[in-house]
Amino acid sequence: EAGVTQSPTHLIKTRGQQATLRCSPISGHTSVYWYQQALGLGLQFLLWYDEGEERNRGNFPPRFSGRQFPNYSSELNVNALELEDSALYLCASSHQGAPGSPLHFGNGTRLTVT
Amino acid sequence: GIQVEQSPPDLILQEGANSTLRCNFSDSVNNLQWFHQNPWGQLINLFYIPSGTKQNGRLSATTVATERYSLLYISSSQTTDSGVYFCAVVRAGGYQKVTFGTGTKLQVIP
Repeated sequence: EAGVTQSPTHLIKTRGQQATLRCSPISGHTSVYWYQQALGLGLQFLLWYDEGEERNRGNFPPRFSGRQFPNYSSELNVNALELEDSALYLCASSHQGAPGSPLHFGNGTRLTVT
Repeated sequence: GIQVEQSPPDLILQEGANSTLRCNFSDSVNNLQWFHQNPWGQLINLFYIPSGTKQNGRLSATTVATERYSLLYISSSQTTDSGVYFCAVVRAGGYQKVTFGTGTKLQVIP
């Protein structure tokens, strides 16, 4: 069974540009979560999608947005990039059939803003 | 929201030593997971343990849900155990928002 896949692995952008990160969940999983991890810090919750809808959002500005497609894959878009957006962006998926189903993470996209 | 605190924040062990990592949470949970983040940033599932005790090789975990804590035991540590250990919880009765703890950074030296 394929795990959660994220692309690209690395992304380099300049200030003011837009970045698009992609995530494919494990087959059968309907929920996708996005987290930001700045260097040396913990994981900050960004967004949660389930069945194509945004279910919850962390404390991030509106220039962080995303969507979930009918096949449950997801995109994270970051507009008007700032230097402090440089971080590892991690995607996770879970099966939403019952409360508390475990998360499975992808290997992340390392975004560098110069 | 729910608060999740881990201790100790940093730990240095000699190879072969044992250790206990702790995760305290401020509310009832229906999901608790332990993860190991390796030096390349990959988050590896260790345990899904909202309650009870589980063992997997040299690692074991215990969650006492009524007292709102979980423990991760590492025995006979190896250099490959180095990295950051996170616990993550989902508060019972609410949206399935996963909250991560602050992490324990473990360094195992030969």
